[in-house]
Amino acid sequence: KAGVTQTPRYLIKTRGQQVTLSCSPISGHRSVSWYQQTPGQGLQFLFEYFSETQRNKGNFPGRFSGRQFSNSRSEMNVSTLELGDSALYLCASSWPRTGLKETQYFGPGTRLLVL
Amino acid sequence: AQSVAQPEDQVNVAEGNPLTVKCTYSVSGNPYLFWYVQYPNRGLQFLLKYITGDNLVKGSYGFEAEFNKSQTSFHLKKPSALVSDSALYFCAVRDDEAAGNKLTFGGGTRVLVKP
Repeated sequence: KAGVTQTPRYLIKTRGQQVTLSCSPISGHRSVSWYQQTPGQGLQFLFEYFSETQRNKGNFPGRFSGRQFSNSRSEMNVSTLELGDSALYLCASSWPRTGLKETQYFGPGTRLLVL
Repeated sequence: AQSVAQPEDQVNVAEGNPLTVKCTYSVSGNPYLFWYVQYPNRGLQFLLKYITGDNLVKGSYGFEAEFNKSQTSFHLKKPSALVSDSALYFCAVRDDEAAGNKLTFGGGTRVLVKP
């Protein structure tokens, strides 16, 4: 079974631009979560989508948004990019049950560099 | 609120020696605990998890972890380390009283196994 895929793998943007990242979960998984990884802040939870609905949200500004499609694929968008948004963005998917006990499987990440 | 602490930024061990990576947690309810490993320029790979049951959990690549409720710890162990185990290790927790699928990660421990 194919793993979680994320596109693009690398991205360079300039301040003020916006960016959209894509995540395709493991087949059959309906929960998709996004995390930001930076050297200073570590791994931080952005948001989670389940059945096209945002189920949980981390402490990030409104510039960070996401959505999930009926096929469980998810996108996250960052508007008005800032230098501090440079990070590795990780997507994770898990089985469709309550989710509490289910393992999240991570994709390879999208490395975003904001200049 | 849920939190995780990994007290060691780096652990150095000689190949063939036992490896231990420490993790302590704090949750309101019952903890669901996970260990992940990250190799350079890669996403997170799942190693093992504790949900309930036996306090000793066995996972991938010869790793195991011991859940200790009284000490709120979930240390990762491997009896005989390999050079290929050199990587960044993350402990994560999910509180069963928290909504959704949010994982809270520790700051990570870099493991260096020397030949």
